[in-house]
Amino acid sequence: EDQVTQSPEALRLQEGESSSLNCSYTVSGLRGLFWYRQDPGKGPEFLFTLYSAGEEKEKERLKATLTKKESFLHITAPKPEDSATYLCAVRGTSGSRLTFGEGTQLTVNP
Amino acid sequence: EPEVTQTPSHQVTQMGQEVILRCVPISNHLYFYWYRQILGQKVEFLVSFYNNEISEKSEIFDDQFSVERPDGSNFTLKIRSTKLEDSAMYFCASSGSIGAGGYTFGSGTRLTVV
Repeated sequence: EDQVTQSPEALRLQEGESSSLNCSYTVSGLRGLFWYRQDPGKGPEFLFTLYSAGEEKEKERLKATLTKKESFLHITAPKPEDSATYLCAVRGTSGSRLTFGEGTQLTVNP
Repeated sequence: EPEVTQTPSHQVTQMGQEVILRCVPISNHLYFYWYRQILGQKVEFLVSFYNNEISEKSEIFDDQFSVERPDGSNFTLKIRSTKLEDSAMYFCASSGSIGAGGYTFGSGTRLTVV
């Protein structure tokens, strides 16, 4: 059974204070690791897909990296509008389903 | 930017009633999904649908649930006899190919069973 664990559960940063979110996973043959952003009462918004260890992707202040056991979402010089819950999900060889973690609730104070 | 549209945004129903949640996936996508998120919990997979049939379903997706693509644009989730524990946000998603790129999610339908 695929499993995803995210840490920390909640993170509070000051504007401009860089940090990283962690996603640890176990999966039967990784077919993709996904990062999403979720605002309250909204659906997950796609950020990145990573497929193999060593891969990195960037978008504005966000950078996602992947190893064989975990992924990191690095946030550089965050702004208040980056406040959201960040979700990690994996897809394994067992099918098309995504298995999500609990998420990290990020708050960026001005 | 193309988006997945879900209606209604909020539905309140009495226990035991049937509900139908509606979704319009992105027009050129071929794979369709339903997920749910109980308040304060993680997003959970329900079912995937491809080529007019269910391709995968979770343990949650029992005989009370069904999905249908009644025409070329809509994708529906039916819950036959709702229970209190069915109260959740239900998200529809679609993808152009299985696993490649991202799965695009809709804004969700908040289902409240009373």
